[in-house]
Amino acid sequence: DADVTQTPRNRITKTGKRIMLECSQTKGHDRMYWYRQDPGLGLRLIYYSFDVKDINKGEISDGYSVSRQAQAKFSLSLESAIPNQTALYFCATSAPDSDTEAFFGQGTRLTVV
Amino acid sequence: AQKITQTQPGMFVQEKEAVTLDCTYDTSDPSYGLFWYKQPSSGEMIFLIYQGSYDQQNATEGRYSLNFQKARKSANLVISASQLGDSAMYFCAMREGLGGTSYGKLTFGQGTILTVHP
Repeated sequence: DADVTQTPRNRITKTGKRIMLECSQTKGHDRMYWYRQDPGLGLRLIYYSFDVKDINKGEISDGYSVSRQAQAKFSLSLESAIPNQTALYFCATSAPDSDTEAFFGQGTRLTVV
Repeated sequence: AQKITQTQPGMFVQEKEAVTLDCTYDTSDPSYGLFWYKQPSSGEMIFLIYQGSYDQQNATEGRYSLNFQKARKSANLVISASQLGDSAMYFCAMREGLGGTSYGKLTFGQGTILTVHP
């Protein structure tokens, strides 16, 4: 099993619908992140969480919300999806040590039509 | 201003040759880390190599090495003896600050698509 698991892997939804992307991890890390990837823009940070009581907005949080249900679970919601939220979404975790890499989920390809 | 810049949208290399992927960064924090990730067509993000701002020597991991030039703020990835399986998107990323102050956030460049020809 993957250390960081995202569900669903692919999703097509209609404009205006609410959708939740889920992430769970078995790394035991406190830090969790949601990024989106767009062609030519790399990955950009949406939200991040230091622990279950700590939620922070990233670079592009408008139109998104998150929930940290437990240390191992971090969900991203699009309250009312719009077409420009079509992207590849990644959940990631990292340990407190600054010199360790972030571990990424497999990604969720979301299409809003 | 872009914190991480990858100026090569696409690169081509012949199998078994070496290739350098460019990355420049911008930060005023004296403590930072630089990462390279590989993203094959299947989409997953694979960690390749890390370089800390205080590291005296260039990082190496197998066929990957990081050419770290601190004064020039560059952190180029060198892949030696390219293989067909190296064809992928490559991202440079930076983590600023140390320990708890950084939250471990990564800032990514735009990516470089590497194509290895047989």
